Amino acid sequence: DQQVKQNSPSLSVQEGRISILNCDYTNSMFDYFLWYKKYPAEGPTFLISISSIKDKNEDGRFTVFLNKSAKHLSLHIVPSQPGDSAVYFCAASPSGAGSYQLTFGKGTKLSVIP
Amino acid sequence: KAGVTQTPRYLIKTRGQQVTLSCSPISGHRSVSWYQQTPGQGLQFLFEYFSETQRNKGNFPGRFSGRQFSNSRSEMNVSTLELGDSALYLCASSGTGAGYTFGSGTRLTVV
Repeated sequence: DQQVKQNSPSLSVQEGRISILNCDYTNSMFDYFLWYKKYPAEGPTFLISISSIKDKNEDGRFTVFLNKSAKHLSLHIVPSQPGDSAVYFCAASPSGAGSYQLTFGKGTKLSVIP
Repeated sequence: KAGVTQTPRYLIKTRGQQVTLSCSPISGHRSVSWYQQTPGQGLQFLFEYFSETQRNKGNFPGRFSGRQFSNSRSEMNVSTLELGDSALYLCASSGTGAGYTFGSGTRLTVV
């Protein structure tokens, strides 16, 4: 039973255009969400996070949107660059002090075409 | 500031053997978590340690165990290895308000 789903295994986008990566979750206890970027043979690198008290968080070219009622979040990358080509993982964590257990989606492979 | 260090980077073991993987967290970070990444299952949480105590445990058999030392370094052990244990094992460390930082992982191959 997947609690965090990334339904698109892959996405191709032209350089300079917007990349939109989607993530759905089922567990209502999740209230902190993160996006990670991963290159082969490396560990995931933290990109951006959002807590459930917000519906949007921006950091440079990266923006994460959270729709709690739909249990859906998305990562927007604008403009997309070839160096953004990687696998992107959505992760979620439940509330509560000391909760450091992340539940990950299976990832979306983004290819940015020059 | 040094990142999360995992050793070894690569490991080949035979079925039935046991293996120990090591993780040195970022200095000052007291929480260390372990994850298994496989092509079919993605990243799955194994366990998390804080101040030498296991706080959370994922849904893995008892063959998977871990521990944390007083200097926050952590080890995970897998006994009686199976072919399905072949995976990338990732360690992440976290400090107060610092988020999660992952190491580069240990690639374990069981033959």
